[in-house]
Amino acid sequence: KAGVTQTPRYLIKTRGQQVTLSCSPISGHRSVSWYQQTPGQGLQFLFEYFSETQRNKGNFPGRFSGRQFSNSRSEMNVSTLELGDSALYLCASSFDRTYEQYFGPGTRLTVT
Amino acid sequence: DQQVKQNSPSLSVQEGRISILNCDYTNSMFDYFLWYKKYPAEGPTFLISISSIKDKNEDGRFTVFLNKSAKHLSLHIVPSQPGDSAVYFCAAYYGQNFVFGPGTRLSVLP
Repeated sequence: KAGVTQTPRYLIKTRGQQVTLSCSPISGHRSVSWYQQTPGQGLQFLFEYFSETQRNKGNFPGRFSGRQFSNSRSEMNVSTLELGDSALYLCASSFDRTYEQYFGPGTRLTVT
Repeated sequence: DQQVKQNSPSLSVQEGRISILNCDYTNSMFDYFLWYKKYPAEGPTFLISISSIKDKNEDGRFTVFLNKSAKHLSLHIVPSQPGDSAVYFCAAYYGQNFVFGPGTRLSVLP
């Protein structure tokens, strides 16, 4: 069974631009969560989508948004990029409300 | 305000010895706890979990202990192997909320 895939793996953007990251969950998984990882901060929860609906949201500004498609694939968008948005963005999928999420390799975003 | 804390940013252990990674939490609502391992350039990998109704869970070389009264859990790795060198994240869950700790970097020295 293929794992969680994320594209692109690396991205360089400049301040003020916007970016869209993509995540394809494990086949059959309906829940997709997004996390931001920065040095010393661990993984900060962004939001979770289940069956195309956002069912949980972390404490991030409205510049961070996401969506999920009918095939469970998910995208995350960050508008008006700031230098502090430079991070590793991880996507995780799970079947339902299961505890054990499976993570993708992440997208490394650098904002200059 | 960190609800899940891993106070040791790094830990070095000799191969064959026991590695003990610690995690403290502040929210008594958490009812499920997990440990993840992360290698560079890869996403975290689920390692082991424990429900709040238990105080111990074992899986091979990995054992997680939960002390609810102290709001403390620990991961024991015995014996430690060089391939265990990674960053270990503790995570806590309740309702729909997942909270991760900042991680502890474990180095197992040959």
